[in-house]
Amino acid sequence: GQSLEQPSEVTAVEGAIVQINCTYQTSGFYGLSWYQQHDGGAPTFLSYNGLDGLEETGRFSSFLSRSDSYGYLLLQELQMKDSASYFCAVTTGFQKLVFGTGTRLLVSP
Amino acid sequence: EADIYQTPRYLVIGTGKKITLECSQTMGHDKMYWYQQDPGMELHLIHYSYGVNSTEKGDLSSESTVSRIRTEHFPLTLESARPSHTSQYLCASSEGPSGPLPNEQFFGPGTRLTVL
Repeated sequence: GQSLEQPSEVTAVEGAIVQINCTYQTSGFYGLSWYQQHDGGAPTFLSYNGLDGLEETGRFSSFLSRSDSYGYLLLQELQMKDSASYFCAVTTGFQKLVFGTGTRLLVSP
Repeated sequence: EADIYQTPRYLVIGTGKKITLECSQTMGHDKMYWYQQDPGMELHLIHYSYGVNSTEKGDLSSESTVSRIRTEHFPLTLESARPSHTSQYLCASSEGPSGPLPNEQFFGPGTRLTVL
């Protein structure tokens, strides 16, 4: 089977740093992506890790450890607009994605 | 800005009706996908296509069918809608492996389907 586990909910205050973890078990692995989805909206791409290590894009960073089947998304300088659901997703082959269970991030003033 | 469109955005329909959900993209992407997502839950891949005349079933079994006659168009059809089909359906596209952004999928706004 294929499974990607994430915490269901994370809360933080504006300006803080939050880390959303993702552990995966899939039949194939080419890379780990992160998507953001606001309520009622479409998922939007945030980052991709094909190799071990840290990728940084502005306030967002993503990390991958293939040996541990683990990755995380780090959000810095949190803003209210960051309140959304965050999904990790594994590329299993031929650019197909298997999505994680999703983490709802609530940012308070 | 991604250019991928879905119609209708909302659809309420009775059991047994045939429906087609439309998805179009203007980016010339070869790969297109349909996902099903229930509220607060993860996305499940139900169909995908690598190009014209190519369609494959995804990881989640679905009674829907798809076609890919043109690169830009990837409609999804349910021959006989049932209440169990009530969900949000998201269409996405991506470049081929040789493109600059092969690992990014661009999503349409979704169709929220309710079958009574």
